[in-house]
Amino acid sequence: DARVTQTPRHKVTEMGQEVTMRCQPILGHNTVFWYRQTMMQGLELLAYFRNRAPLDDSGMPKDRFSAEMPDATLATLKIQPSEPRDSAVYFCASGLAGLVYEQFFGPGTRLTVL
Amino acid sequence: AQTVTQSQPEMSVQEAETVTLSCTYDTSENNYYLFWYKQPPSRQMILVIRQEAYKQQNATENRFSVNFQKAAKSFSLKISDSQLGDTAMYFCAFMKSPGTYKYIFGTGTRLKVLA
Repeated sequence: DARVTQTPRHKVTEMGQEVTMRCQPILGHNTVFWYRQTMMQGLELLAYFRNRAPLDDSGMPKDRFSAEMPDATLATLKIQPSEPRDSAVYFCASGLAGLVYEQFFGPGTRLTVL
Repeated sequence: AQTVTQSQPEMSVQEAETVTLSCTYDTSENNYYLFWYKQPPSRQMILVIRQEAYKQQNATENRFSVNFQKAAKSFSLKISDSQLGDTAMYFCAFMKSPGTYKYIFGTGTRLKVLA
């Protein structure tokens, strides 16, 4: 049963600390997305990659957030330094562009910055 | 810019009844995709149904069907024979054109199915 995995599922940290969230997309998928979900803003697209190359990161605060795909099986989202307003659920999704355009979501990482 | 509006923040329905969730969108594009995703309390986002704008026939998946009105830019989701497991947040999503693969999500409708 292929699925997107994310680690950690929960993270509590203090303001100013670095946070790294990891995502393993479904094997064979060529597109990876990072979303942030909050009560106030809903689901926001932060960045997405096609064949490991960043296509759009306009939704991401550049001064503190960074997203990478070191290889086809791993995507990372880093926040440094973290702030309380970064508290949210972060979702990774993957898909295969050129087919039905469904995005397959991971279970999310709930981040709390104190 | 494209926008997606879900005007019903919360809804409830009795088990076995039918409920319709509304979604409207704004776009000048002619070719696009629309989706409904479900997010139960587990937080896992699950695709419920998709509709390609070029198809006139409304999509159907078991108890879930859509009423796609392209001219009115409306894309409502009908859930028939509601079940307790349908309790979730439902998000409508718009994808501008196949090349981008970017979704614009609505704010969601929280649906509660009552026993």
